[in-house]
Amino acid sequence: DGGITQSPKYLFRKEGQNVTLSCEQNLNHDAMYWYRQDPGQGLRLIYYSQIVNDFQKGDIAEGYSVSREKKESFPLTVTSAQKNPTAFYLCASSISGTYGYTFGSGTRLTVV
Amino acid sequence: QQQVKQSPQSLIVQKGGISIINCAYENTAFDYFPWYQQFPGKGPALLIAIRPDVSEKKEGRFTISFNKSAKQFSLHIMDSQPGDSATYFCAASMRGGSYIPTFGRGTSLIVHP
Repeated sequence: DGGITQSPKYLFRKEGQNVTLSCEQNLNHDAMYWYRQDPGQGLRLIYYSQIVNDFQKGDIAEGYSVSREKKESFPLTVTSAQKNPTAFYLCASSISGTYGYTFGSGTRLTVV
Repeated sequence: QQQVKQSPQSLIVQKGGISIINCAYENTAFDYFPWYQQFPGKGPALLIAIRPDVSEKKEGRFTISFNKSAKQFSLHIMDSQPGDSATYFCAASMRGGSYIPTFGRGTSLIVHP
């Protein structure tokens, strides 16, 4: 089955620690995206990448970092500089130049 | 600046009723308007979408109504079922924006049996 796999589904970390969320897709999509979802806030774009080895900041990139070394993978690191990291994180992908998005099932990060 | 405004934030409907969710946008360059459905603990999935050259699109019990002059569009769920209980997001995209959607803040729909 083609799709997007996000792991882990739940993640707990201590305050001040960096944490990396995994996103892998086997849809052969060029573009990949990271969103943060908070109650009542909708989906806010963190970073996106439309081609390997290139990525762009979204609306709320501060405190996050990404890499795109392979077409299939787009990991997100939540750094200790992110002031309020507890949230539901969603990865998505699309074919560049088209409107259709496919989302993963998300990772719920809790920082204590 | 919120470019896509969605209302209501939450909605409770009885089984068999009509659920209506509204969105308004500001940027007239938007040219694709999708609705996403999200169940708890899952990612959003595309439900239905419309382009501004048509005023209505229907897929089963789900209908998008589009008013270009008012810059508004809405989702109508006919004969709402408990299985429709989910969060619904409207969005708007444009070619000039790398096709990246701007999302509304979501509507939590509960359909009572």
